[in-house]
Amino acid sequence: AQTVTQSQPEMSVQEAETVTLSCTYDTSESDYYLFWYKQPPSRQMILVIRQEAYKQQNATENRFSVNFQKAAKSFSLKISDSQLGDAAMYFCAYRLDRGSTLGRLYFGRGTQLTVWP
Amino acid sequence: NAGVTQTPKFQVLKTGQSMTLQCAQDMNHEYMSWYRQDPGMGLRLIHYSVGAGITDQGEVPNGYNVSRSTTEDFPLRLLSAAPSQTSVYFCASSYSRGGSDYGYTFGSGTRLTVV
Repeated sequence: AQTVTQSQPEMSVQEAETVTLSCTYDTSESDYYLFWYKQPPSRQMILVIRQEAYKQQNATENRFSVNFQKAAKSFSLKISDSQLGDAAMYFCAYRLDRGSTLGRLYFGRGTQLTVWP
Repeated sequence: NAGVTQTPKFQVLKTGQSMTLQCAQDMNHEYMSWYRQDPGMGLRLIHYSVGAGITDQGEVPNGYNVSRSTTEDFPLRLLSAAPSQTSVYFCASSYSRGGSDYGYTFGSGTRLTVV
C-alpha cells in the first residue's frame, strides 16, 4: 500500500518568516509524482507545486519550493516570506506513473498552517 | 471553461435514502476521481476512472457506485445513505501528456449530512 505521512498536524509562522512543512511517503516504485495542495477555509483544493520523481532538481513556484530527497522518500514544502493568505490546510499527495494506477492520488492527513501578523 | 463542476454544494439525507452527486468537467481530462474528506483523515479515494467506460475502486468504495459513460461526467451514487457517509466529497480530474502529469483540478466539494 502507498502511504503518505505528514507528521505535523499544526504549524505556525510569523508573517514574512519562512516555514517548512514535512512529508514522507512509502513506495517501492521509481516513477511517480508528488504534489502539495492548499485548502483554505473556502474548502477549494489548490495545487501549490508538483515534482516529478525522475527530476533531481527541486521544484520552485515563486515563494514555494520543495526539498525532494528521493532516497529518503521525503518531500518537504518551504514557504518563504509567509503571507496571511498562506494560512490554510496543506496536503502532501503522491501518484504513481503507471497505467493501472493512473488516477489514484494518495493524500497525507494534512498540516494546518497558521500565519500570525 | 468552467473546470470541474460539482452539484449540489450541500445536501441533507435521511438514513436509507439514495442520491447521486454530480460531477462534470469540460477540459477533456481522461482521469476523474471521487474523494471524501473527514476531519483528521485527509482525502481518501472512493472510486476513480482512467477513461470513459473504465472505473475502479479506491480505498473506501463500500456504499458507493460510479459509472463513466462519457469523458465529461462521473456521477457518484450513494445506494443507501448511512450516518458514516457524512463527509465532504470532492470530484477531481486530470490529464497526462507526453509523460508529464499536470496535477488534479478539484471541484468545490459537496457537504453531505446523513441524519
